[in-house]
Amino acid sequence: EPEVTQTPSHQVTQMGQEVILRCVPISNHLYFYWYRQILGQKVEFLVSFYNNEISEKSEIFDDQFSVERPDGSNFTLKIRSTKLEDSAMYFCASSELEGWLTEAFFGQGTRLTVV
Amino acid sequence: DQQVKQNSPSLSVQEGRISILNCDYTNSMFDYFLWYKKYPAEGPTFLISISSIKDKNEDGRFTVFLNKSAKHLSLHIVPSQPGDSAVYFCAAKVPATGRRALTFGSGTRLQVQP
Repeated sequence: EPEVTQTPSHQVTQMGQEVILRCVPISNHLYFYWYRQILGQKVEFLVSFYNNEISEKSEIFDDQFSVERPDGSNFTLKIRSTKLEDSAMYFCASSELEGWLTEAFFGQGTRLTVV
Repeated sequence: DQQVKQNSPSLSVQEGRISILNCDYTNSMFDYFLWYKKYPAEGPTFLISISSIKDKNEDGRFTVFLNKSAKHLSLHIVPSQPGDSAVYFCAAKVPATGRRALTFGSGTRLQVQP
């Protein structure tokens, strides 16, 4: 069964450092997303990406964040200068283009720890 | 801003019995609702969905009910199995506007006792 894969599974970084989280969406999907879940809190939407551009973003997704699809398979989330409060599980997801009523498939997540 | 609320943080049921997980929402623009299951150290897994034109959708042991007037939906699992033990998230979106972002509830941890 096709799945969304994320690397690494756990990333520890020093405050102020840049970090790049990587995702390989399901191959025939055309919408890509990043969500995050701070420990003990709900899953929150960050950004959606379609046709090589951001289609929607939340207020969490400020100038510190960027997304890119550098090649035909990878989808990345970059945090330019990490803060302690960026520590969270980051989930990548993808969905098919056709039909609004389609579910998003999630990866297993990357646990980001900022120290 | 809690547009999707799951007021029960946890639920414990006996194997074979019915599990009922509840979800309330405040945004009347929500038009499509989904339930995800999440095991520790894994991402959310899609379970079942319902659009606002329906009041019930069934898939095997899982049934979702939607009461639009009450802005309430519920997930029924019958019969419950120990493997169903996980955190269940209700999510909603507004497809009519073209937005695809999901708004999640805070989750309910279901424990099915053998």
